[in-house]
Amino acid sequence: DTEVTQTPKHLVMGMTNKKSLKCEQHMGHRAMYWYKQKAKKPPELMFVYSYEKLSINESVPSRFSPECPNSSLLNLHLHALQPEDSALYLCASSQDTTDTQYFGPGTRLTVL
Amino acid sequence: KNQVEQSPQSLIILEGKNCTLQCNYTVSPFSNLRWYKQDTGRGPVSLTIMTFSENTKSNGRYTATLDADTKQSSLHITASQLSDSASYICVVSFNDYKLSFGAGTTVTVRA
Repeated sequence: DTEVTQTPKHLVMGMTNKKSLKCEQHMGHRAMYWYKQKAKKPPELMFVYSYEKLSINESVPSRFSPECPNSSLLNLHLHALQPEDSALYLCASSQDTTDTQYFGPGTRLTVL
Repeated sequence: KNQVEQSPQSLIILEGKNCTLQCNYTVSPFSNLRWYKQDTGRGPVSLTIMTFSENTKSNGRYTATLDADTKQSSLHITASQLSDSASYICVVSFNDYKLSFGAGTTVTVRA
């Protein structure tokens, strides 16, 4: 298995909703990442997990809350989002933080 | 400032033709350079990765070159196919996990 999977593919939520994005990989990678990508822009790093511990938070607002339940799973919990948070959210993983990152297909999030 | 600049911004080519995309970077310290292909609304897919000592790397019809002295890289697509239509992103790695992304070149292949 050489892929990163993400669910759901699309998500529409209101500003008062609570939702979660899920990411899974079975490549034995020990580093996992969340990126945010706006249309026609490069991805922006949000969080880095290394060996299931949060190692980097790129000054992301607290309405985004990451969680790494085990070495194969990465969640992103969403609460009280704003319309400007609408974007493609990409998950990636790598053997460790210096190796090639493999990206998932993304979750297209729309906040109404 | 760590920057990655790509050119052209977009290009249109006929099916079967070749094309070359350019990437210039000022990232330091340099770890490696990767080319990704990203279809609209999808995650990037890695095409090639090159370290400081590598000059060229191929993946099927994709060939990447790297000149670490001039800090330039290119991606050559041979015998283009309709499925090559996508955004091609040059990504330079520095300082462990940190990636510096180019803005991408949008390639459109027409029949």
